Amino acid sequence: DAGITQSPRHKVTETGTPVTLRCHQTENHRYMYWYRQDPGHGLRLIHYSYGVKDTDKGEVSDGYSVSRSKTEDFLLTLESATSSQTSVYFCAISAGVREKLFFGSGTQLSVL
Amino acid sequence: RKEVEQDPGPFNVPEGATVAFNCTYSNSASQSFFWYRQDCRKEPKLLMSVYSSGNEDGRFTAQLNRASQYISLLIRDSKLSDSATYLCVVTTGNQFYFGTGTSLTVIP
Repeated sequence: DAGITQSPRHKVTETGTPVTLRCHQTENHRYMYWYRQDPGHGLRLIHYSYGVKDTDKGEVSDGYSVSRSKTEDFLLTLESATSSQTSVYFCAISAGVREKLFFGSGTQLSVL
Repeated sequence: RKEVEQDPGPFNVPEGATVAFNCTYSNSASQSFFWYRQDCRKEPKLLMSVYSSGNEDGRFTAQLNRASQYISLLIRDSKLSDSATYLCVVTTGNQFYFGTGTSLTVIP
């Protein structure tokens, strides 16, 4: 299995609080992605990174920011969590834009 | 129009049956194609890549039809352990696009 670790695995928070999810990889892959998965929508891209300090928005980026200061770490921040951000969040990595994606185990986030 | 569309199912089949899933994609410029498997409350895992010439991995066969813009997955001799959701994934430009998944339950 690809070396991807997401933390925390579960998080319950209150509306309006900031939340940071962490993705750590040991594969030295260039590309890292944050997705959210909701019933009926499948996996939707929030943000992705194509190198250290190089990031771009995905389909559902509003309310989220990311940072990548090292190859191995990609952080997702919800500046002020809302109930609509309750979801399962997956980090993924790939060696190239059309290469296979490998996923972390996911973070179940509940915003009350 | 969605980039990738799949029949959500569910497909309920007996053990030993053959089952096929299709997935259509909207962008003729899409470059790479994959099938992923996702078990309940787990992360998606790569099942196989899909090539124009078709490819097989044991009981699983994947096909790509660029002219009609669809990919397919055939599972022969279904096992109970094949019960999962199957996602088709397409790359266009520098983005991955996911179908919503097809649910398969293999019944004893």
